[in-house]
Amino acid sequence: SQTIHQWPATLVQPVGSPLSLECTVEGTSNPNLYWYRQAAGRGLQLLFYSVGIGQISSEVPQNLSASRPQDRQFILSSKKLLLSDSGFYLCAWSVQTSSGNTIYFGEGSWLTVV
Amino acid sequence: GIQVEQSPPDLILQEGANSTLRCNFSDSVNNLQWFHQNPWGQLINLFYIPSGTKQNGRLSATTVATERYSLLYISSSQTTDSGVYFCAVERGFQKLVFGTGTRLLVSP
Repeated sequence: SQTIHQWPATLVQPVGSPLSLECTVEGTSNPNLYWYRQAAGRGLQLLFYSVGIGQISSEVPQNLSASRPQDRQFILSSKKLLLSDSGFYLCAWSVQTSSGNTIYFGEGSWLTVV
Repeated sequence: GIQVEQSPPDLILQEGANSTLRCNFSDSVNNLQWFHQNPWGQLINLFYIPSGTKQNGRLSATTVATERYSLLYISSSQTTDSGVYFCAVERGFQKLVFGTGTRLLVSP
């Protein structure tokens, strides 16, 4: 069966420090991968999505970047964090099947920028 | 872009009560999904339902794509149903746009 993991689960970082959140998917090949951010417990916002290795699409201009160095690995990064980068970050994957395109989420990472 | 609105924003129920959550969307969509986010933040798929009706235990969902809305029914609610319920519609190539969410609290 497919599984998705992301880490770290919680992170407290000072303003101006770098960021790296990692996500890996097991049990599937060539998944679509996503990074979402959720602020204040509501409203998930799509940040990045990827349909293949090295292929990254950004949905909103921001202080973050994403990379996909391997088929089932998706990394969210920042060179210098801002206070406004605080939030709950969720990695997700999807594959088109006969049942449709269902998306599955990781456990999430809580980021607090201080 | 497409707008996805959910109602009510907040809902408090006594255990055992039934409820209906609504999701309205402003444009045609490829598919629609319902999610439950538990108090620990985990998002769980409930239904993939671009049209029609599906049932899973005490939960059921109906999407009327021509009228651009979907309903999630919760019957005989339990405290474990508490959390936030999101609908999300697919716009473009496999990209979900999430609704505003309904925060549900079921008290014993």
